[in-house]
Amino acid sequence: GAVVSQHPSWVICKSGTSVKIECRSLDFQATTMFWYRQFPKQSLMLMATSNEGSKATYEQGVEKDKFLINHASLTLSTLTVTSAHPEDSSFYICSARVLAGGRWAQETQYFGPGTRLLVL
Amino acid sequence: KQEVTQIPAALSVPEGENLVLNCSFTDSAIYNLQWFRQDPGKGLTSLLLIQSSQREQTSGRLNASLDKSSGRSTLYIAASQPGDSATYLCAVMTGANSKLTFGKGITLSVRP
Repeated sequence: GAVVSQHPSWVICKSGTSVKIECRSLDFQATTMFWYRQFPKQSLMLMATSNEGSKATYEQGVEKDKFLINHASLTLSTLTVTSAHPEDSSFYICSARVLAGGRWAQETQYFGPGTRLLVL
Repeated sequence: KQEVTQIPAALSVPEGENLVLNCSFTDSAIYNLQWFRQDPGKGLTSLLLIQSSQREQTSGRLNASLDKSSGRSTLYIAASQPGDSATYLCAVMTGANSKLTFGKGITLSVRP
């Protein structure tokens, strides 16, 4: 099956610094990538949807200036957490999807392994 | 707004038992429903995907059913094994942007 990778797998940083997380589709071209955040014992919450070459669409309540998303190519999307604070500590998961024949419903999303962020 | 509920939050069963995990959703206008497995600290693995026009899907010891009109899905695991211990997440795809809405998951522990 399709593989999505994330780097780094975990990161610890000081409050106020910025952290970049990469999401790559390894063997397919992803027209759309999604970024989720998951707190302990909680569901995955969609943060934003990014399409290659265009601006990301953010979910309500997600600060676009704090969570910068760049989908520079069909195989790479990056999430930068700017001026991270302890409340940003979470598990960040990306997923990638490819449109086939114009039928989204036929396609599953392929999820990355996640990045655990701890802000001290 | 779509809401997905999975109850109970945790379940512990002895090895070999057949079990059913439940998922309910509030908006029946879905495109599809997926069941995922998540191991601690890991990403998601897709187990089964059921299209809105389908009633069930099977893969090995797993069988997922969908009753769209009543907003329910079940994941049936036959002859459970300790290796099945994980969190099982249900997600539905709805809306013009085809977003996934997840439940909080059911953490399953299969005792040897």
